[in-house]
Amino acid sequence: GAVVSQHPSRVICKSGTSVKIECRSLDFQATTMFWYRQFPKQSLMLMATSNEGSKATYEQGVEKDKFLINHASLTLSTLTVTSAHPEDSSFYICSALETTNYGYTFGSGTRLTVV
Amino acid sequence: KQEVTQIPAALSVPEGENLVLNCSFTDSAIYNLQWFRQDPGKGLTSLLLIQSSQREQTSGRLNASLDKSSGRSTLYIAASQPGDSATYLCARRGYSTLTFGKGTMLLVSP
Repeated sequence: GAVVSQHPSRVICKSGTSVKIECRSLDFQATTMFWYRQFPKQSLMLMATSNEGSKATYEQGVEKDKFLINHASLTLSTLTVTSAHPEDSSFYICSALETTNYGYTFGSGTRLTVV
Repeated sequence: KQEVTQIPAALSVPEGENLVLNCSFTDSAIYNLQWFRQDPGKGLTSLLLIQSSQREQTSGRLNASLDKSSGRSTLYIAASQPGDSATYLCARRGYSTLTFGKGTMLLVSP
């Protein structure tokens, strides 16, 4: 079945630095990928929709200058958290839409801790 | 606003019990409905995907049903096992968005 690989699985960074998270579709091409954020014991919150070759579409309230998304190829989307602060600490998950059955496949998530 | 509600929020059962997890959604104009499993600190694993034209899907001990008219889906787990312990999320796909419920945290004790 469809596999989405997300790296790193866990990262700790200092306040003010930037962190890049990668999301790759391993065995299918994904023209559309999605980035979610999940707080403890909460559901997933869609942050942005990443479209290959074009600008990402951000959900209301999500700072696009802080959460930079790049989808330069059909198999790779990246999320860069710029000038990270402790309140950015969270679990970030990417997903890709598989066009054969229109189901969503999710990455394994990235636990970001900003100290 | 599209909403997805899952009941119960948490469930604790002894091993071997059959159980039902409920999911309801406010907008019946869905594209499909998907059930996921999430283990602590992990991503989501797709369990079952029900297209809007289907009424149910089965995989092993799992059976998911979809009733668009009432805006409900259920996930039935037969003969539960400790390894089934996880959070179960349902997600409704509309035209362009995927909306998640908050999940049901399931604990199956040996």
